[in-house]
Amino acid sequence: DAGVIQSPRHEVTEMGQEVTLRCKPISGHDYLFWYRQTMMRGLELLIYFNNNVPIDDSGMPEDRFSAKMPNASFSTLKIQPSEPRDSAVYFCASSFASGGTTEQYFGPGTRLTVT
Amino acid sequence: AQSVTQLDSQVPVFEEAPVELRCNYSSSVSVYLFWYVQYPNQGLQLLLKYLSGSTLVKGINGFEAEFNKSQTSFHLRKPSVHISDTAEYFCAVSYGGATNKLIFGTGTLLAVQP
Repeated sequence: DAGVIQSPRHEVTEMGQEVTLRCKPISGHDYLFWYRQTMMRGLELLIYFNNNVPIDDSGMPEDRFSAKMPNASFSTLKIQPSEPRDSAVYFCASSFASGGTTEQYFGPGTRLTVT
Repeated sequence: AQSVTQLDSQVPVFEEAPVELRCNYSSSVSVYLFWYVQYPNQGLQLLLKYLSGSTLVKGINGFEAEFNKSQTSFHLRKPSVHISDTAEYFCAVSYGGATNKLIFGTGTLLAVQP
């Protein structure tokens, strides 16, 4: 398997623009997680899905952020409108099974810069 | 509230010296514990995990960690580090249930010097 795939790897955009980050989880995994990493706040869980259904979105900063998982092999994280404080590395991770016992496999991340 | 504490933000160490990275978690009846490593410009990858059984867990790259329930700790150790071990190390905990949700510590940068 190719692992978790994220695109784009780098994104530079201007304030106010819409940004869409994409993730393809590992085939067969039934959990998908979106994280944000910054120097100030560290690694934050934004939202996670189980079997394509959002389970916990309490980490989503505000209404400008939205995430979807239309099928088991694809998820998006959208920011509209983007702001400079959204600049961060966004990671997608996936895992299989339940009970909190299995590891999460992380993608390489998308480095977002909002100017 | 459930939390994970990594007291050391950075640990400088010379090559071939031993190292310990500290991790403490808030107490709970059952926990699953993980150490992840992040090399520069990469995602996180699992070093080792404790689910049950022996409290001493061995992972990749010569790392090991010991689960101490009474001290609610899960410290990571390596007897002799290499330059290539320079990376950010994250401790994480899952408090069980069916969520698969991990709570991460703030990370410790291990800086190995020649």
